[in-house]
Amino acid sequence: DVKVTQSSRYLVKRTGEKVFLECVQDMDHENMFWYRQDPGLGLRLIYFSYDVKMKEKGDIPEGYSVSREKKERFSLILESASTNQTSMYLCASRKLGSYNEQFFGPGTRLTVL
Amino acid sequence: QQQVKQSPQSLIVQKGGIPIINCAYENTAFDYFPWYQQFPGKGPALLIAIRPDVSEKKEGRFTISFNKSAKQFSLHIMDSQPGDSATYFCAATLTGANNLFFGTGTRLTVIP
Repeated sequence: DVKVTQSSRYLVKRTGEKVFLECVQDMDHENMFWYRQDPGLGLRLIYFSYDVKMKEKGDIPEGYSVSREKKERFSLILESASTNQTSMYLCASRKLGSYNEQFFGPGTRLTVL
Repeated sequence: QQQVKQSPQSLIVQKGGIPIINCAYENTAFDYFPWYQQFPGKGPALLIAIRPDVSEKKEGRFTISFNKSAKQFSLHIMDSQPGDSATYFCAATLTGANNLFFGTGTRLTVIP
């Protein structure tokens, strides 16, 4: 059974803190994604990685960075958290190929106070 | 700019009804249109997908209708059940693209 896991289901941080969100997949997928989900805005792509140490900016990369040191792990970093980064963060992975299914993790609900 | 526009934002139907969710796109290069279903507390999961060479695709009670000339596609759920209550996202992509372009989502509630 395919699996994408995220390190936390709920996270509360203070403004200015550095925040790490971790994502691990066990399917040996090449591609990994970070999205944020907000009501009325759908899923917006933050960053995409097509291989180890490779990354591309998505639609809303400002205020975020990512790290992919190992194929199975993709981290999202908020260098200095702000209240407008309060959101649901979803990680996904996909086998190489545009039409292949994206498998999502359960999400991390981040609240920045 | 939203690449894929989805409506309605929310939908309430009685059990047995046929909810219809609509999506529209502008980029004629899009050539793959999946729908994802998300239950509360879960990540989205692929439900059904269609290519533009067909006008309709059915999987169980779920049907995608595709109108290439109008650049629109829609999801129909036959004989809807309370267990279908979820958020539904349409999406689109094209050959060589890195990611899916998602609609804004439709929150469906099926009342028993």
